[in-house]
Amino acid sequence: AQSVTQLDSQVPVFEEAPVELRCNYSSSVSVYLFWYVQYPNQGLQLLLKYLSGSTLVKGINGFEAEFNKSQTSFHLRKPSVHISDTAEYFCAVSPNAGGTSYGKLTFGQGTILTVHP
Amino acid sequence: DTGVSQDPRHKITKRGQNVTFRCDPISEHNRLYWYRQTLGQGPEFLTYFQNEAQLEKSRLLSDRFSAERPKGSFSTLEIQRTEQGDSAMYLCASRPGTGRETQYFGPGTRLLVL
Repeated sequence: AQSVTQLDSQVPVFEEAPVELRCNYSSSVSVYLFWYVQYPNQGLQLLLKYLSGSTLVKGINGFEAEFNKSQTSFHLRKPSVHISDTAEYFCAVSPNAGGTSYGKLTFGQGTILTVHP
Repeated sequence: DTGVSQDPRHKITKRGQNVTFRCDPISEHNRLYWYRQTLGQGPEFLTYFQNEAQLEKSRLLSDRFSAERPKGSFSTLEIQRTEQGDSAMYLCASRPGTGRETQYFGPGTRLLVL
């Protein structure tokens, strides 16, 4: 089984400031890791994913995340945020081995990022 | 290329009524997932189809819930005898056959049970 903990439920930040959204996970099997963004009244859009290889992953809209296996973390970062980045962000994992749960996503509780002018 | 679509986008119903939601995945995506998202929470897995076969169901899916995917194309999620606790956003996602691929989410159906 997998679980995901997003350590901050809300993160306020000023425009053009850097931001880090924290994510820790627990799993008895190897996993793929994802960050999704959800704008109000919309579905989820993939920001980035870690499947294998380099632990620093770059995504859309200037976001990046670093996979740290020893700390079981996958924190999301952006060096300079915009007003338009205001949204809810979800960290998720899925097993990367075979079986019926292959590909099933387990999400964290979400972090609401609010960018102030 | 159209994305995942869901219908209706919003549904208000009275307690005890039955509701049915539809999800049309991206064409040729053989994996289809249903998730439920309550206010202030992340999406929670409900069930999963590979083609027309329902391969996994969450314990969250009580016997009042049923999902189908006839012919491996669109899927329906039915809730019988709705309860106020069923009020949530119901999200559908699809992906191609390999686990490395992204799940693409639809806009969701927001259900309110009065």
